[in-house]
Amino acid sequence: AQSVSQHNHHVILSEAASLELGCNYSYGGTVNLFWYVQYPGQHLQLLLKYFSGDPLVKGIKGFEAEFIKSKFSFNLRKPSVQWSDTAEYFCACYGNNRLAFGKGNQVVVIP
Amino acid sequence: GAVVSQHPSRVICKSGTSVKIECRSLDFQATTMFWYRQFPKQSLMLMATSNEGSKATYEQGVEKDKFLINHASLTLSTLTVTSAHPEDSSFYICSARALTSGYNEQFFGPGTRLTVL
Repeated sequence: AQSVSQHNHHVILSEAASLELGCNYSYGGTVNLFWYVQYPGQHLQLLLKYFSGDPLVKGIKGFEAEFIKSKFSFNLRKPSVQWSDTAEYFCACYGNNRLAFGKGNQVVVIP
Repeated sequence: GAVVSQHPSRVICKSGTSVKIECRSLDFQATTMFWYRQFPKQSLMLMATSNEGSKATYEQGVEKDKFLINHASLTLSTLTVTSAHPEDSSFYICSARALTSGYNEQFFGPGTRLTVL
C-alpha cells in the first residue's frame, strides 16, 4: 500500500513570506498526486492535482506543486502567502484504488 | 467540478442510539464511495470503501457491525453508526470517485460532525 509523509507539521510565517510544504510518497506504480486544503471549520478543498504531463502544476489561489519522480516528492509552494492561507494542508497519493493522505501541515500566517 | 453532499452536517445524539449519515453525488454517478474519519488536528483515516450493489470493504481495525455502510444506488451511500458511544464522536467525511479526463478523482463531501453524549 502507498504511504504519504509530510514534515514540519506546524508552520508559522508572516504575510508575504514564501511557503513550501514537503510531501514524499512511497508507491511503486503510477501515481496521481493531490494537495488539499482545509480552512478552519470547513471541508476539504482541492488545491491542485497531478496526473501526468508537465510536472509543475499550478492550482488555485496562487499555489503550485512540482512532481519530482526521482525524489518521490510533490512539494507545494506559494511565493507570497496571505493571512487567508491559514489552514491545514494535506498531500494525498492515489494508488491501489485508494487515496492515502499525509498527516497534514498546519499553516498559520501572521498578519 | 463534481459535487458531493452530506446530510446531516452535524448531529448530536445520546449514547446507545444509532445515527445515519447520507452521502450523495449530486451531478455524477459514483460506483465507488469512501468513508473517512477525521479526529481533531489529524489526517483523514479511511474507514471503508463502498461499492454500489456490493458489500463494503472495511479497513483493518474498523468494526463492520458498528459502522454499517450501504451503497444502494449510484448516487447514494449511507453510513450508520450503531449503538454510538462518546468515543465515536468525530468528523465523518465521505468521498465519491469519478472519472475525469480519463483519470480517477475523488470528490469530498463537507463532512458530518458527530457528537455522542
